[in-house]
Amino acid sequence: SQTIHQWPATLVQPVGSPLSLECTVEGTSNPNLYWYRQAAGRGLQLLFYSVGIGQISSEVPQNLSASRPQDRQFILSSKKLLLSDSGFYLCAWGPGQATGYTFGSGTRLTVV
Amino acid sequence: KQEVTQIPAALSVPEGENLVLNCSFTDSAIYNLQWFRQDPGKGLTSLLLIQSSQREQTSGRLNASLDKSSGRSTLYIAASQPGDSATYLCAVFGGGTYKYIFGTGTRLKVLA
Repeated sequence: SQTIHQWPATLVQPVGSPLSLECTVEGTSNPNLYWYRQAAGRGLQLLFYSVGIGQISSEVPQNLSASRPQDRQFILSSKKLLLSDSGFYLCAWGPGQATGYTFGSGTRLTVV
Repeated sequence: KQEVTQIPAALSVPEGENLVLNCSFTDSAIYNLQWFRQDPGKGLTSLLLIQSSQREQTSGRLNASLDKSSGRSTLYIAASQPGDSATYLCAVFGGGTYKYIFGTGTRLKVLA
């Protein structure tokens, strides 16, 4: 069966520090991968998605970036965090674009 | 631009009641619609996925219906239990975009 792993579960980082969040999927190949952010009291916002290794589409221009160095690995990064980057970050995967998503357990990021 | 609305934003019911959560979307040209459950501080758990050609899907005490032409979906929960307390999110794929667009959710509390 397929599983999705996301870590760390919680993170407190000072403003201006770098960020690296990792997401991996097991039990499938060539998944579509997604990074979402959920800010307090707001809906889910799609940040990046990837349909293959090295293929990244950005939905929201900001100081975050994403990379997919391996088929089942998706990384969300920032060189310098802003206070506004605080939120709940969720990774998701789907076997195709219109086949339903499975979400990871999320990372609660607090920038102080 | 596809927009997804969920009403009510919050709902509190006594245990045992049958209840309906509503989801509406502005562009009816969707591929599918997915209902999720989110517990506080946790990731999203997929409940039901309805393809555009389907009218409804059932899983246990949950039944989701889809009326694409009117841009509406409902999630019916039978015999609600305190364990059903969570935020319920709907997401639509399509309608002019190749990604899932999420509603802001309905926060459900079932009182024992």
